[in-house]
Amino acid sequence: DVKVTQSSRYLVKRTGEKVFLECVQDMDHENMFWYRQDPGLGLRLIYFSYDVKMKEKGDIPEGYSVSREKKERFSLILESASTNQTSMYLCASNLGGLFGNTIYFGEGSWLTVV
Amino acid sequence: DAKTTQPTSMDCAEGRAANLPCNHSTISGNEYVYWYRQIHSQGPQYIIHGLKNNETNEMASLIITEDRKSSTLILPHATLRDTAVYYCIVRSGSSNTGKLIFGQGTTLQVKP
Repeated sequence: DVKVTQSSRYLVKRTGEKVFLECVQDMDHENMFWYRQDPGLGLRLIYFSYDVKMKEKGDIPEGYSVSREKKERFSLILESASTNQTSMYLCASNLGGLFGNTIYFGEGSWLTVV
Repeated sequence: DAKTTQPTSMDCAEGRAANLPCNHSTISGNEYVYWYRQIHSQGPQYIIHGLKNNETNEMASLIITEDRKSSTLILPHATLRDTAVYYCIVRSGSSNTGKLIFGQGTTLQVKP
């Protein structure tokens, strides 16, 4: 089974803090993604990566950065957390290519910024 | 990616089959139908996907109409743990962008 593991399920951080959300997948997937999910707004793509050290902006990259130093690991960084970044963050991955398009999600990380 | 329409909510008795419909009348030839579910406070869980033929796995069956304009997800023996929001998505088989449009989905309530 595909396993996408997010390091923290629940975090509470103060405004202005730097926040790291870590994600690891164990299926040698090429692509990895970070989303946030908010009531009424659905799933929104923040950043994705299709290879080590490669990244592409999604729909809402402002206030976030990412790092992919190893194929299995994709980190989301909030440089200076703000209250409007309180949300559930979802990491996901897929194999990529024509027959590897199914996206698999982690359990989610609930971030509260106070 | 094509838009989908699902009923807002459904109830099902425990042990019975749950049949969740989805309309995707604007689906194009290279788009697959995917189903995910999301249990409260957890990430979306992949269930099944298909292109034209009916598909079955250990979780569910997917029935796609011949014209591909609608489909039905079948949970053969629903349990209380199947209570969740179920999302039907159509997505290009070659799309690699990660963009997923989760609509409102169907909230399935399995009752004892």
